[in-house]
Amino acid sequence: GQNIDQPTEMTATEGAIVQINCTYQTSGFNGLFWYQQHAGEAPTFLSYNVLDGLEEKGRFSSFLSRSKGYSYLLLKELQMKDSASYLCAPLDSNYQLIWGAGTKLIIKP
Amino acid sequence: GAVVSQHPSRVICKSGTSVKIECRSLDFQATTMFWYRQFPKQSLMLMATSNEGSKATYEQGVEKDKFLINHASLTLSTLTVTSAHPEDSSFYICSAPGGTGDADTQYFGPGTRLTVL
Repeated sequence: GQNIDQPTEMTATEGAIVQINCTYQTSGFNGLFWYQQHAGEAPTFLSYNVLDGLEEKGRFSSFLSRSKGYSYLLLKELQMKDSASYLCAPLDSNYQLIWGAGTKLIIKP
Repeated sequence: GAVVSQHPSRVICKSGTSVKIECRSLDFQATTMFWYRQFPKQSLMLMATSNEGSKATYEQGVEKDKFLINHASLTLSTLTVTSAHPEDSSFYICSAPGGTGDADTQYFGPGTRLTVL
């Protein structure tokens, strides 16, 4: 079957670094998306990884290991506005998005 | 957990034809469903909010006569792309809030890839 696993909730301190992990099992693989979603808003695209390794984009970085079925999103220099849900969503062999339940990130001062 | 399905998963059609996409909440009821559109490597763009038993609410810039939404029951919303053109080719995704005891969580469908020739 297809399955996504990411923590339900995480708490971090403003200015710190946090890593949100995602493990997945899909029928085939065509890359993985990370989205940020604030309450009541549409998800915002953060990253798309299709090859192994780390991709850095400002304060956010995303890592992928296809052999391990594993990805993480790294957020540095956390700001209060980073409080949101973070969704991991790989694409399967049919280019269908398999959605994780999301990780609610709470930033404390 | 709550599951949202979409049908079809992929559709190819000729320009000028209409295409209907279904979004179903499989194990929970949803009085509201959301329809999104996604272009490659871009954010999901909210198109409209589908309301069971009443008219859909469309976002600014989305043509309501072109993207017809019907929320016929508490588990089904449909999006019909009328007189489709190549520029309508995109990935259409629906979501529904709620599920067992968690009204704040959005559950997303797997998406429908529309290609208009």
